[in-house]
Amino acid sequence: KQEVTQIPAALSVPEGENLVLNCSFTDSAIYNLQWFRQDPGKGLTSLLLIQSSQREQTSGRLNASLDKSSGRSTLYIAASQPGDSATYLCAVRRAAGNKLTFGGGTRVLVKP
Amino acid sequence: GAVVSQHPSRVICKSGTSVKIECRSLDFQATTMFWYRQFPKKSLMLMATSNEGSKATYEQGVEKDKFLINHASLTLSTLTVTSAHPEDSSFYICSAYVPQDRGNTEAFFGQGTRLTVV
Repeated sequence: KQEVTQIPAALSVPEGENLVLNCSFTDSAIYNLQWFRQDPGKGLTSLLLIQSSQREQTSGRLNASLDKSSGRSTLYIAASQPGDSATYLCAVRRAAGNKLTFGGGTRVLVKP
Repeated sequence: GAVVSQHPSRVICKSGTSVKIECRSLDFQATTMFWYRQFPKKSLMLMATSNEGSKATYEQGVEKDKFLINHASLTLSTLTVTSAHPEDSSFYICSAYVPQDRGNTEAFFGQGTRLTVV
């Protein structure tokens, strides 16, 4: 059974500092991995999608890496801003049409 | 990205009544949609997989008769919470995948529905 873990559960940084969020999964046989952002009381916003054959994806200040063999993904957010404060969730999928297995999330607070 | 719309965003209902939540894929067809429940400060828990034109597949421990799912078209799935009780109060979120022919089967989520049963 796939298990996804996100450490730390919460993170507080001053504005401008780079954020590093970790995601680990127990079964390396994944189809893809997705990072999401969730604001309080809202749905999930897709940030980055990494296919199993890819090593990283970038979008603006966000960069996500994937090391499938070691079961790890890292989300980097450069030059953090107060607006980056949210919960970040990673999720993996075993096959194209399968369900997502989520980590517990990392709550991020960026202090002005 | 693709758009998944969920309605209503908030609903308050009396104990014993039923509530219907709609999930629509606005710019793509989704043969499969997923319904999640989220407790405060917790991650998402998959409740069921909604399949267009066939019965939904429920996760272990989820009551089929309490959480009725209908996926009558390629753009609409509904979740009906029947005979709601206060313990059903929660945040419900739906999701759908963009089909493979449009790219990498990225999952998109609705805005969520906050259900409060009084």
